[in-house]
Amino acid sequence: DGGITQSPKYLFRKEGQNVTLSCEQNLNHDAMYWYRQDPGQGLRLIYYSQIVNDFQKGDIAEGYSVSREKKESFPLTVTSAQKNPTAFYLCASSGGGNAFFGQGTRLTVV
Amino acid sequence: GQQVMQIPQYQHVQEGEDFTTYCNSSTTLSNIQWYKQRPGGHPVFLIQLVKSGEVKKQKRLTFQFGEAKKNSSLHITATQTTDVGTYFCAKPHYYGQNFVFGPGTRLSVLP
Repeated sequence: DGGITQSPKYLFRKEGQNVTLSCEQNLNHDAMYWYRQDPGQGLRLIYYSQIVNDFQKGDIAEGYSVSREKKESFPLTVTSAQKNPTAFYLCASSGGGNAFFGQGTRLTVV
Repeated sequence: GQQVMQIPQYQHVQEGEDFTTYCNSSTTLSNIQWYKQRPGGHPVFLIQLVKSGEVKKQKRLTFQFGEAKKNSSLHITATQTTDVGTYFCAKPHYYGQNFVFGPGTRLSVLP
């Protein structure tokens, strides 16, 4: 089945640690996105990529990093510089129409 | 700016009542998309509107695009508990081809 897969579903991180969230799609979409969602809030864009080996900062990129070495993959690293990383992280892809979202990763800092 | 606004932020209705959420932009939109996010879930695409004054229906859901293409609405007739969730509108951001999501309207349906 075609789709977009995020892993893990739940992630716990100690303060000061970097952690990487996985996002894989087999929809052959060029564009991929990372959003952050806080409880009861909307979607805020962290990073996006329109093509392999290229990505751009979104509205809240500080404390995050990404790579786009393959069309199918767009991992997000939450670094220790992100002061308040506990949130729901959503990856999405688009082939030029609407966005398809993964199931999300809930990150909790302990 | 590039924001889209949505009202209301929250809506509590009794099952069987109607519900409407509104999406407004300060700029003319080429198109508008609507998504639904169930509690604990991820946003799922519902529909895209492109033409001025366009009206589309999906069962009990009616989507409208304003004549000036600056606003849109989603109306649910006779809500059911399965309608619970947050409804987002989204507009394309052609610079970088992003999506700009509205803040969403959270719908609660009381049985």
